[in-house]
Amino acid sequence: SQTIHQWPATLVQPVGSPLSLECTVEGTSNPNLYWYRQAAGRGLQLLFYSVGIGQISSEVPQNLSASRPQDRQFILSSKKLLLSDSGFYLCAWQHGTGGADGYTFGSGTRLTVV
Amino acid sequence: GENVEQHPSTLSVQEGDSAVIKCTYSDSASNYFPWYKQELGKGPQLIIDIRSNVGEKKDQRIAVTLNKTAKHFSLHITETQPEDSAVYFCAASRGGKLIFGQGTELSVKP
Repeated sequence: SQTIHQWPATLVQPVGSPLSLECTVEGTSNPNLYWYRQAAGRGLQLLFYSVGIGQISSEVPQNLSASRPQDRQFILSSKKLLLSDSGFYLCAWQHGTGGADGYTFGSGTRLTVV
Repeated sequence: GENVEQHPSTLSVQEGDSAVIKCTYSDSASNYFPWYKQELGKGPQLIIDIRSNVGEKKDQRIAVTLNKTAKHFSLHITETQPEDSAVYFCAASRGGKLIFGQGTELSVKP
């Protein structure tokens, strides 16, 4: 069966520090991968998505970047965190068949920038 | 591009009552409509989905209906229980990326 791992679960970082959040998927190959953020309120804001190794699409200009060094690994990074980067970060995977299919979300990372 | 509107933003019901959440979409080519439940501090979980070749789907106390002509779909929860309290998201897709609604916070009062 497929599983998605996201870590860490919580993170408190000072302003200006770097960030690296990692997401890995097991039990599938060539998944579509997504990074979302939930700030204050409930909305799911799409940050980045990837349909293959090295292929990253950015949805919103951010102080963030993403990379996909391996088929089932997706990394969210920042060189210098801002207070506004605080939020709940979610990784998700989807079958990469090109057809319509649902996501499976990870358990999320609660990031607080202080 | 696709746009999904979800209503209401908050919904409070008494335990045992029914709850209905509605979504409209703009892209008539969308053919997949999932619903997610997000409990506090957790990632959203898929609870039910429907494809455009089906008008209704039911799974125990949860059902989803789809009206392709009107481009809207709804989540129905019957005999609500306190553990149904959560944020619910609808979404639409025609392949690939899902477009999410804004979410509905459902509160079930004992």
